[in-house]
Amino acid sequence: IAGITQAPTSQILAAGRRMTLRCTQDMRHNAMYWYRQDLGLGLRLIHYSNTAGTTGKGEVPDGYSVSRANTDDFPLTLASAVPSQTSVYFCASSPSGTSGTPLRNEQFFGPGTRLTVL
Amino acid sequence: KNQVEQSPQSLIILEGKNCTLQCNYTVSPFSNLRWYKQDTGRGPVSLTIMTFSENTKSNGRYTATLDADTKQSSLHITASQLSDSASYICVVSARRDYKLSFGAGTTVTVRA
Repeated sequence: IAGITQAPTSQILAAGRRMTLRCTQDMRHNAMYWYRQDLGLGLRLIHYSNTAGTTGKGEVPDGYSVSRANTDDFPLTLASAVPSQTSVYFCASSPSGTSGTPLRNEQFFGPGTRLTVL
Repeated sequence: KNQVEQSPQSLIILEGKNCTLQCNYTVSPFSNLRWYKQDTGRGPVSLTIMTFSENTKSNGRYTATLDADTKQSSLHITASQLSDSASYICVVSARRDYKLSFGAGTTVTVRA
């Protein structure tokens, strides 16, 4: 059982380029999330999806877009990367999203993608 | 201002010793509090989860406590091992939307 996989593991990108970070889960979780983690800060939510076909904005959505065409995949796209988007990006999933018991809201994280924008 | 504050930012302990990490939060209304362990280069992994009615929860050598009245939690590591070297993140969920507020983490280094 793989759980959550992310690709690529790391990437160096020129400013202005378009980039898609991939995330796939095999746990049939309804909800998926994208976070960024920066030194000295807690993880910050970029976008989320409570179920396939729906998405929502998190705390820091500007410059990012997501789609949720099916249950398993939740790609994150940077349309035109900027240096401030240099970060480690984590995808996560949970059995349920903004409803359900706390245990069903528990989030399981992928291994992360380290992105450097020059 | 972050709704979840952790202290200390980092600490170094000798193998076999105990340590306690602190988490203060302002998230309201409170739903639950989780402690995650994040190894270097990995994603966070859940250690414990506590709801309002729980004041202690153990997972092996990790024991978490919760005081919902003072909005404080602690994570105690007993008889530390080298593999305990990691960042420990306190995460609090609000009851109204279940979105998570993350602390910045405490980096623990265990030395032989």
